[in-house]
Amino acid sequence: AQSVTQPDIHITVSEGASLELRCNYSYGATPYLFWYVQSPGQGLQLLLKYFSGDTLVQGIKGFEAEFKRSQSSFNLRKPSVHWSDAAEYFCAVGGGAQKLVFGQGTRLTINP
Amino acid sequence: DSGVTQTPKHLITATGQRVTLRCSPRSGDLSVYWYQQSLDQGLQFLIQYYNGEERAKGNILERFSAQQFPDLHSELNLSSLELGDSALYFCASSAVGLYNEQFFGPGTRLTVL
Repeated sequence: AQSVTQPDIHITVSEGASLELRCNYSYGATPYLFWYVQSPGQGLQLLLKYFSGDTLVQGIKGFEAEFKRSQSSFNLRKPSVHWSDAAEYFCAVGGGAQKLVFGQGTRLTINP
Repeated sequence: DSGVTQTPKHLITATGQRVTLRCSPRSGDLSVYWYQQSLDQGLQFLIQYYNGEERAKGNILERFSAQQFPDLHSELNLSSLELGDSALYFCASSAVGLYNEQFFGPGTRLTVL
């Protein structure tokens, strides 16, 4: 069965610091992987996606993620966070005209 | 703006009642997905429609049903509502093909009192 684990429920970083959000997945075939962001009271916005090819993918808002098949991971990174990055981040597996299976989410707080 | 619209934004109702949530997908998208987001269950897939036909089902309760109409909009019907049905309900749409992500609407927040 497909599953996604986001080990960190809540992360706090200082503005300007680097960020890494962890995501581990379980999937029987080649996974399609996604990171979505949800700001308070808002819907889900796609940050980036991985289908195949280059394992380092670039997304919007300066985010990137690296697919590591050997570790079943798809961690999200940003070199320098801004106060506006405070939100909840969801890793998901699936897609390709199939349902998405989401992790529990990581809430990001930014200290000024 | 994802291009996916959902109405209403908020819905407050009582236990035992029935409600209908509406979703209009992005122009040209044939697939519609419904998800439920709650504090205890997180984001869970409910059901998918493709061009009017049910394509996949998740953990959708028997009290819940959905349909997709010829104009591709979709409705999620929730009946005999319980307190535990209070949640944020998202609709998403995607285009045909393997390499297409899902675009999410702003959600409908349902509160059952």
